[in-house]
Amino acid sequence: TQLLEQSPQFLSIQEGENLTVYCNSSSVFSSLQWYRQEPGEGPVLLVTVVTGGEVKKLKRLTFQFGDARKDSSLHITAAQPGDTGLYLCAGALYGGSQGNLIFGKGTKLSVKP
Amino acid sequence: EPEVTQTPSHQVTQMGQEVILRCVPISNHLYFYWYRQILGQKVEFLVSFYNNEISEKSEIFDDQFSVERPDGSNFTLKIRSTKLEDSAMYFCASSHSRAIKDYGYTFGSGTRLTVV
Repeated sequence: TQLLEQSPQFLSIQEGENLTVYCNSSSVFSSLQWYRQEPGEGPVLLVTVVTGGEVKKLKRLTFQFGDARKDSSLHITAAQPGDTGLYLCAGALYGGSQGNLIFGKGTKLSVKP
Repeated sequence: EPEVTQTPSHQVTQMGQEVILRCVPISNHLYFYWYRQILGQKVEFLVSFYNNEISEKSEIFDDQFSVERPDGSNFTLKIRSTKLEDSAMYFCASSHSRAIKDYGYTFGSGTRLTVV
């Protein structure tokens, strides 16, 4: 069972374009995190969202947590080649352990110059 | 920027052998974790550790696995009698708080374990 489904799985765009990647579930999460992972490296935390409807911005990246806390999105404005990488969402299940994360399979983003 | 350090970066072992993967968490962090990522698959939780004992473990973390904090700085994952399907990237992570929403995790760069 895929608790966290990420879409699209792959995304290839030109520099300067905008994009949105999605993280969806039928389960409620007490918090969701977005990570970026480079090949051969560990995930690096970008943001944590906690409140339903919350929006957080990190430069050109905008993260949103769904009102029902079942989904999240990551929007990148004016993508740059340096944004290339694997974007992972991960969450702590509501009512579950706060000590472990459930990960999605990731969206592999490629931004061409 | 404080880091979680993992050694070795790559370990090749023969099936049936024991391996120990090492991690040095961030010094003021209190909670420690091991995750693994089989090639092409998602990152999976193995175990969490606090106050010198396991606080939670997944179904993957069976009797073949053990964790230890032998000296107050290192955090180790031991895999006894390795199997081919244990081949994966193993990530150590640490956090200051159990509440992920407060601090999140810092992951190490991983150890790529190859069982042949």
